[in-house]
This record gives sequence, structure tokens and C-alpha cells, in this order.
Amino acid sequence: AQSVTQPDIHITVSEGASLELRCNYSYGATPYLFWYVQSPGQGLQLLLKYFSGDTLVQGIKGFEAEFKRSQSSFNLRKPSVHWSDAAEYFCAVGGSNDYKLSFGAGTTVTVRA
Amino acid sequence: KAGVTQTPRYLIKTRGQQVTLSCSPISGHRSVSWYQQTPGQGLQFLFEYFSETQRNKGNFPGRFSGRQFSNSRSEMNVSTLELGDSALYLCASSNPAGDTDTQYFGPGTRLTVL
Repeated sequence: AQSVTQPDIHITVSEGASLELRCNYSYGATPYLFWYVQSPGQGLQLLLKYFSGDTLVQGIKGFEAEFKRSQSSFNLRKPSVHWSDAAEYFCAVGGSNDYKLSFGAGTTVTVRA
Repeated sequence: KAGVTQTPRYLIKTRGQQVTLSCSPISGHRSVSWYQQTPGQGLQFLFEYFSETQRNKGNFPGRFSGRQFSNSRSEMNVSTLELGDSALYLCASSNPAGDTDTQYFGPGTRLTVL
């Protein structure tokens, strides 16, 4: 069975500070990993994805994520947070030709001035 | 290129009614997936269609159904609505011939059941 755990329900960070969101996954085959962001009342926007190759992937809006197979993790990072980064972030896992994504419960990020 | 569009954006229904939601994928995308998002259960996969065929189905009762048309547009239907069906319904499209396995989401339809 595939599953995703996001241990942090809510994170508060100061503007300009760094941000790291944790994601652990369980998947029986080679995982495809995604981070999506959702602003209130909106759909999901893809931040970045990992299929294979370099384990450090760059995404939009200055985000990056690192895949660590040994830890079954795919943590998302941003060096300097902007107020516009306040949103809910979802980690998801799927696989090749597997159109069923499994999502974590999400982490809500609050940015304080 | 236009993104995934969903109509309507908001719906209010009463228990026992049925509802149809529509999704137009990104041009050229032939796979459409549907997800339900609720505060209690999070994001859950409903079903996926490709070339008018359902290829994958989540763990939802038969009241939830869908279909896909020859132009890849998709609809999902929920019959005999229950209060617990209140949710944000998200549609996603992907292009198996190109950016394989990446799903791009629409803005969702917010369904409220009274």
C-alpha cells in the first residue's frame, strides 16, 4: 500500500527565514514524488517533482526538495520565505503509469512579519 | 496554454439530490483524474479516465461515477447526496504521451450539501 506522512500539521516561520517541510512515503515500487501548494479556495499547484536522477530537485518559487531513498523521505526546503508562501503544502506519491496519487495530510505554513 | 477548468466552481444541493461536475483538461491531455478533498479525510482519489475508459478507481461507493468524452472532457456524478459529500472536488489532467505521470489540477468545485 502506498502512503504519505507529513508529520507537521502547522508551521510558523518569520519572513526571510528558511523553511523545511517534512515528507515520508511508503511505496512498493520506484516512487514518483511531488510537492503541491494550495492557497485558500484554490486548486493544487505543482511546485516540483522527482522521478529519477539527481536527488536534489529544483522547483518553482525558489523551492527545492531532496529525495533520500534510505530514509523514504522527500523534504521540501526554501532558503528565504516570503509572505506569499503562506499556504498549505501537500506531498504526494505515485508511480509509473499509476494515476492514483496518494497525498499526505498537508502542512499549513504561516508567515509572520 | 489554458489550464484545467472546472465548472461550476460552487454548488449547493440538498440531501437526496444528485449533482454533475464537469472538467475540461489541458489541451492535448487525455488522462483525467478526480479527487475529493475534505477537512477530515484529506485528498482522496476517486477515479481516473483515459480515452473514455475508467482505468483506476478509488474506494468510494457506487453513488460516485464518472465518464469521459471523446474530446477528453470528463464529468463526475454523485447520486443521492449525503451531508458527508460536502467537499472540494478536484480534477487533474495529465499527458501520458509527454510529461508522463504529472498531474495538473484545476481550481476545484466546492460542493455543499444541506
